[in-house]
Amino acid sequence: GESVGLHLPTLSVQEGDNSIINCAYSNSASDYFIWYKQESGKGPQFIIDIRSNMDKRQGQRVTVLLNKTVKHLSLQIAATQPGDSAVYFCAENMATGRRALTFGSGTRLQVQP
Amino acid sequence: GAGVSQSPRYKVAKRGQDVALRCDPISGHVSLFWYQQALGQGPEFLTYFQNEAQLDKSGLPSDRFFAERPEGSVSTLKIQRTQQEDSAVYLCASSPLSSGYYEQYFGPGTRLTVT
Repeated sequence: GESVGLHLPTLSVQEGDNSIINCAYSNSASDYFIWYKQESGKGPQFIIDIRSNMDKRQGQRVTVLLNKTVKHLSLQIAATQPGDSAVYFCAENMATGRRALTFGSGTRLQVQP
Repeated sequence: GAGVSQSPRYKVAKRGQDVALRCDPISGHVSLFWYQQALGQGPEFLTYFQNEAQLDKSGLPSDRFFAERPEGSVSTLKIQRTQQEDSAVYLCASSPLSSGYYEQYFGPGTRLTVT
C-alpha cells in the first residue's frame, strides 16, 4: 500500500547548527501530517503538525514545510541542541476515513557537541 | 496530567506462550490505537478502537492477535502462541477525538522478546 518514506536514515550535525529532516509521502489522499520525535526507550512524542491546506507551520525552534506538488515534507530544527538527538518520524493521516497513522522508517539525528 | 501508560514495560516469552499487554489511555480519550514497532522501523498500525468498539483491525498480522477494550477505557492486546517474529515494541496511543484532525498521544511501549 501507499506509505510515507524518508530519504536519509542518519543525520549528524554540530550543536548550534540548523537541521533539516526530509520525508516523502505517496498517498495523495493524506491531508494531515505530523512529525514525531522518539528517544530511546520511549514512545513517539508529538513535535508539530500541518494540514494539507497549509505549506508552512512554525513552532518553537521547529518549522514544517509541506510541498504537495512533489509530495514532500521537511522538518527544520533551528539551533540544534544535544537534547534534540533522537529518531524523527513523519506520519500521515486523513481527517476522514482510516484513522491510523502511517509512519515512515525514521531519521536518526545525532547532535555533536 | 498522567499520560498513556503501558504494562509491562518488558516481557520475555518463550515461543508458543500467550501474552497480554495492557494499555491505560489518558482518561476520557475516545480513540485508542495499537501499533507494532520493529527494531529500527517506524510504528505500524495494528488496530483502532472508538470507545469500546473495534472499528479497524486491518493491521493485525494474524488471528493469533486479539485486542479488546470492553469498557471503553483500558485496552488489552493479546498474542497467542507467540512466534519469534512477534518480537517488537508494542505501542498504544490515545486521542480525545474520533474525527477530524487530531494528535495521537503515545505510551512508552511494551518491548516483547520471544525466545
